[in-house]
Amino acid sequence: DVKVTQSSRYLVKRTGEKVFLECVQDMDHENMFWYRQDPGLGLRLIYFSYDVKMKEKGDIPEGYSVSREKKERFSLILESASTNQTSMYLCASNPGNEQFFGPGTRLTVL
Amino acid sequence: AQSVTQLGSHVSVSEGALVLLRCNYSSSVPPYLFWYVQYPNQGLQLLLKYTTGATLVKGINGFEAEFKKSETSFHLTKPSAHMSDAAEYFCAVSQSGAGSYQLTFGKGTKLSVIP
Repeated sequence: DVKVTQSSRYLVKRTGEKVFLECVQDMDHENMFWYRQDPGLGLRLIYFSYDVKMKEKGDIPEGYSVSREKKERFSLILESASTNQTSMYLCASNPGNEQFFGPGTRLTVL
Repeated sequence: AQSVTQLGSHVSVSEGALVLLRCNYSSSVPPYLFWYVQYPNQGLQLLLKYTTGATLVKGINGFEAEFKKSETSFHLTKPSAHMSDAAEYFCAVSQSGAGSYQLTFGKGTKLSVIP
């Protein structure tokens, strides 16, 4: 079974802090994705990566950056967290057209 | 650009009744279509997908969906709702770009099942 894990299920941070969300997949997938999920808005793509050290902006990249130094790991970085970044963050990976999701990290920024 | 519209942000059905969750999409190329389910405080799990071939697709937990190109629809159905079906359901369409197969999601439909 494909496994996508995220470093934390719940996270509370303060405004202005630098926040790292980590995602690891164990199936050697080329592509990895970061989404945020908000009520009534569905999932919105923040960034994706189709190879090590490669990244592409999604629909809402502002305020975020990413890092992919190894194929299995894709990190989402909030350089200076703000309250409007309080959300559920979901990581996914895929070898083709189907995406496999992690359990999500619920981030609260106070 | 591709888009997905899910009609109804909340749907309630009685236990044992038909479940029908509606999804319409727009796509300039033949789409790949997906339904995902999300249980509370969990990630998304694939229910079923349409890529090519048979337009009626069967998935897990008794769900199925029919791809209707003329109606640009991919509605999700289940003949008899169970309490365990209460969850949020997302329809998605895939586009291919740089081999990454990005997904565009609808806004979701929360299904409640009334005993």
